[in-house]
Amino acid sequence: GAGVSQTPSNKVTEKGKYVELRCDPISGHTALYWYRQSLGQGPEFLIYFQGTGAADDSGLPNDRFFAVRPEGSVSTLKIQRTERGDSAVYLCASSSSGGPNTEAFFGQGTRLTVV
Amino acid sequence: DAKTTQPNSMESNEEEPVHLPCNHSTISGTDYIHWYRQLPSQGPEYVIHGLTSNVNNRMASLAIAEDRKSSTLILHRATLRDAAVYYCILTGTGNQFYFGTGTSLTVIP
Repeated sequence: GAGVSQTPSNKVTEKGKYVELRCDPISGHTALYWYRQSLGQGPEFLIYFQGTGAADDSGLPNDRFFAVRPEGSVSTLKIQRTERGDSAVYLCASSSSGGPNTEAFFGQGTRLTVV
Repeated sequence: DAKTTQPNSMESNEEEPVHLPCNHSTISGTDYIHWYRQLPSQGPEYVIHGLTSNVNNRMASLAIAEDRKSSTLILHRATLRDAAVYYCILTGTGNQFYFGTGTSLTVIP
């Protein structure tokens, strides 16, 4: 596909469980972003990758959240010991270089529900 | 990071122009002004961006004030498919996009 792909589209998990959310960016895009969006709010920045490295992880709320991008393409957002407050839509975006003069392409998101 | 201020909501009649304002009084010289929109149950979609000069593309126009402390997204003829939340965002050296709560645009048939 030509766009950013996120899987799964929906995930329901029990409180305390571990979850992984996957993002396939547009081929060749070096910059990758993760955001979280709660109902009625704008997307909240979590982490930004440039290639394989996390250039800015200042948005991760606590140490239960972790993200990797080992080969500079696919990224996985990992949440340990999930809490009900983690329920949200998790959005991934990629851009060709990540500079301020480039556009970002967003996926459709993964809706996470913690019960 | 520089902050933007937008009205919470706006309405427009179908096929009329829409002017969506954004204030960014603390913008720095290297910040680009980006606009994204988000349709219900979808991820944000790029609309347009610029630095100093006005910009046009197939979707919209971006008018940037001379002092760069405000900008206006112009949809030339609103359609029902333009109903969405519109976000005005500044991007600088940090490269991240910090979204606010945006403007919810309602298009009236």
